[in-house]
Amino acid sequence: DGGITQSPKYLFRKEGQNVTLSCEQNLNHDAMYWYRQDPGQGLRLIYYSQIVNDFQKGDIAEGYSVSREKKESFPLTVTSAQKNPTAFYLCASSTLAGLGETQYFGPGTRLLVL
Amino acid sequence: AQSVTQLGSHVSVSEGALVLLRCNYSSSVPPYLFWYVQYPNQGLQLLLKYTTGATLVKGINGFEAEFKKSETSFHLTKPSAHMSDAAEYFCAVTSKAAGNKLTFGGGTRVLVKP
Repeated sequence: DGGITQSPKYLFRKEGQNVTLSCEQNLNHDAMYWYRQDPGQGLRLIYYSQIVNDFQKGDIAEGYSVSREKKESFPLTVTSAQKNPTAFYLCASSTLAGLGETQYFGPGTRLLVL
Repeated sequence: AQSVTQLGSHVSVSEGALVLLRCNYSSSVPPYLFWYVQYPNQGLQLLLKYTTGATLVKGINGFEAEFKKSETSFHLTKPSAHMSDAAEYFCAVTSKAAGNKLTFGGGTRVLVKP
């Protein structure tokens, strides 16, 4: 089955620790996205990538980093500089074949601070 | 810049009653509009989208939405609510100028009463 997988489902971060969230897709999509979801605020874009080895900051990139070494993978690192990391993180992907392309979402990772 | 406003963070409907979720957008260029649904602790699933053409768009699970340019609206409706419609719904906008980056509304949580 084609789709997007995210792991782990739950992740706990200690003070001063960097943690990495995994996102993998087998849809052969060029573009991948990371969103942060907080209650009542909808989804906000952290980073996105339209091609391997290239990515751009979204609206709330501070305290986060990404890499795109393979088309299928777009891991997100939450660094110790992110002071309020507790949130639900969603990865998405889409083609870039046309306009208004649908973004397909993974099941999400919930990050909690110990 | 583009933005989305969803009127009402919570909506309560009786089973069998009309579901109406309001979405207004702001975009300086022709928009592409989306409605997504999210069940608890899951990712987002596309309900329907408007890109070009017919302004009344039909989606999955009996939902439909109408693009009204003059009102800058894209309200979501379903004639008869079912218990399984209890979820959170997000309206989102993008455009050619935005390069397929989605901007989401704050979401509307739907409660269905038996």
